[in-house]
Amino acid sequence: EPEVTQTPSHQVTQMGQEVILRCVPISNHLYFYWYRQILGQKVEFLVSFYNNEISEKSEIFDDQFSVERPDGSNFTLKIRSTKLEDSAMYFCASKLERNEQFFGPGTRLTVL
Amino acid sequence: DQQVKQNSPSLSVQEGRISILNCDYTNSMFDYFLWYKKYPAEGPTFLISISSIKDKNEDGRFTVFLNKSAKHLSLHIVPSQPGDSAVYFCAASELDSGNTPLVFGKGTRLSVIA
Repeated sequence: EPEVTQTPSHQVTQMGQEVILRCVPISNHLYFYWYRQILGQKVEFLVSFYNNEISEKSEIFDDQFSVERPDGSNFTLKIRSTKLEDSAMYFCASKLERNEQFFGPGTRLTVL
Repeated sequence: DQQVKQNSPSLSVQEGRISILNCDYTNSMFDYFLWYKKYPAEGPTFLISISSIKDKNEDGRFTVFLNKSAKHLSLHIVPSQPGDSAVYFCAASELDSGNTPLVFGKGTRLSVIA
């Protein structure tokens, strides 16, 4: 069964450093998303991506964040200058059309 | 602003009995609702969904009920099994737009006791 994959599973970085979180969505899916879950809190939407551009983003997704689909299979989330409060689980999700989103296993980002 | 609320942070149920997880929403534009199950250190796994044109959807042991007038939905698991122990998230979206993000509740931790 096809699945969304994410790498790395755990990323530790120093405050102020850049990180890139990688995702491989399900191959025939058309819509791509990033969510995050800070420890003990709910899963929050960051950004959605369709037809090679951002279609919607939340207040969390400020200028420090960017997304890219560089090669037709990978979908990346970049945080330019990480802050302590960026520590969270980051989930990638994809879907085909007007139906359910499928989530990856997540990347745990720890900012020291 | 909690648009999707799961007011019970935890629930314990005996194996073989029914588990009922509840969810309320405030945004009347929501018309598609989903339940996800999450184990520790894994991503949310889709369980079952329902659109606002229905009031019930069933898939094996899982049934979701939607009461639009009350802005309430529930997930029933019958019979409950120890492997069902996980955190269950209710999520909602506006179906009309294909890329509409999901809005999640805070989750309910279900423990099924053997």
